[in-house]
Amino acid sequence: DAGITQSPRHKVTETGTPVTLRCHQTENHRYMYWYRQDPGHGLRLIHYSYGVKDTDKGEVSDGYSVSRSKTEDFLLTLESATSSQTSVYFCAISEEQSYNEQFFGPGTRLTVL
Amino acid sequence: AQTVTQSQPEMSVQEAETVTLSCTYDTSESDYYLFWYKQPPSRQMILVIRQEAYKQQNATENRFSVNFQKAAKSFSLKISDSQLGDAAMYFCAYRSYSGGGADGLTFGKGTHLIIQP
Repeated sequence: DAGITQSPRHKVTETGTPVTLRCHQTENHRYMYWYRQDPGHGLRLIHYSYGVKDTDKGEVSDGYSVSRSKTEDFLLTLESATSSQTSVYFCAISEEQSYNEQFFGPGTRLTVL
Repeated sequence: AQTVTQSQPEMSVQEAETVTLSCTYDTSESDYYLFWYKQPPSRQMILVIRQEAYKQQNATENRFSVNFQKAAKSFSLKISDSQLGDAAMYFCAYRSYSGGGADGLTFGKGTHLIIQP
């Protein structure tokens, strides 16, 4: 299995609270991604990174920011959590070539009350 | 933008039988990659099979095979000799070729596969 960990694995927070989710990889892959999974929507891309300090927006980036100061870590921040951000969040990594699969972390279940 | 459609929210099959999961996609690109991911109750996303659009030959992985029809933009997954461990959500996904590694995956909404013993 690809070396991807996510922390925390579960979190319950209140509306308006800042939240940071961490993705850590030991594979030295260049590309990292954050997705959210909601019933009836599959997985949707939030943000991605193509190198240290190089990030870009995905399909559902509103209300989220990301940072990548080291190859191995990709942080997802909800500046002020809302109930609509209750979801399961997945981190994924990928090597250089497009045809390579994305390896997924175990996911973080976030509940915003 | 690309879209991926899985028209079967749920499928049921008897153990040891064959089942086919449907996936269609919409794109204006000629080069791309298609994937089927499995998500069991553990929530882990597991790659089942991958198809490069420039390859005419359908991909196979043991009991899993695809029927890739590029002109029809169809990418179905066939599971032969279904086993109880195949029970899961199955997601079809698209990845652009032109973006290098920078493109994320575009997923369908998933098909819940039930295996009847």
